[in-house]
Amino acid sequence: DAKTTQPPSMDCAEGRAANLPCNHSTISGNEYVYWYRQIHSQGPQYIIHGLKNNETNEMASLIITEDRKSSTLILPHATLRDTAVYYCIVRVDMNNNAGNMLTFGGGTRLMVKP
Amino acid sequence: EADIYQTPRYLVIGTGKKITLECSQTMGHDKMYWYQQDPGMELHLIHYSYGVNSTEKGDLSSESTVSRIRTEHFPLTLESARPSHTSQYLCASSEGWAGELFFGEGSRLTVL
Repeated sequence: DAKTTQPPSMDCAEGRAANLPCNHSTISGNEYVYWYRQIHSQGPQYIIHGLKNNETNEMASLIITEDRKSSTLILPHATLRDTAVYYCIVRVDMNNNAGNMLTFGGGTRLMVKP
Repeated sequence: EADIYQTPRYLVIGTGKKITLECSQTMGHDKMYWYQQDPGMELHLIHYSYGVNSTEKGDLSSESTVSRIRTEHFPLTLESARPSHTSQYLCASSEGWAGELFFGEGSRLTVL
């Protein structure tokens, strides 16, 4: 799986949009971009994933550049409860690939401030 | 809300004791996983399972063992706990190898 690079920490004001970047310059054509978050050492929580089109759900939006070498997770109106470590992961999404495990890196520690 | 449960949430135990961390899911998922995470550090995969009667070692070597006798149950055992085993252990499951992983809330183990 391709390696990802994320800033170790970011701050965001409550109510503002939080934009979390991720670089994955060695991503291959069949690798998806996944985002998870972990709030205060609880189990990680799935947020969103995509291949090349931008995606949006009730939690966040995922913007993937045209060359797919980077992406941005957007929390449109950050709240204090969004304070967490956010992980960007790339992997091949194949149900017949037994070696296809999620590999978590260091992530970005997002601090939402009042 | 994910239907995956871990017990105990917290355990403090003395060196040399045998411990079992329980993990159960009610989603009928075939694939289950154990991750280990030290405070403030990355998650590391230590065990996973394809389904009943299958277990595999993960990326990080661990002295723990696992079993998968029933689809919904994936316990982790340490035969003789040591202080170096102090960590948080997170269980997860998924329907297939692709897609979303559902995590439990974790078991925080302290070995004195």
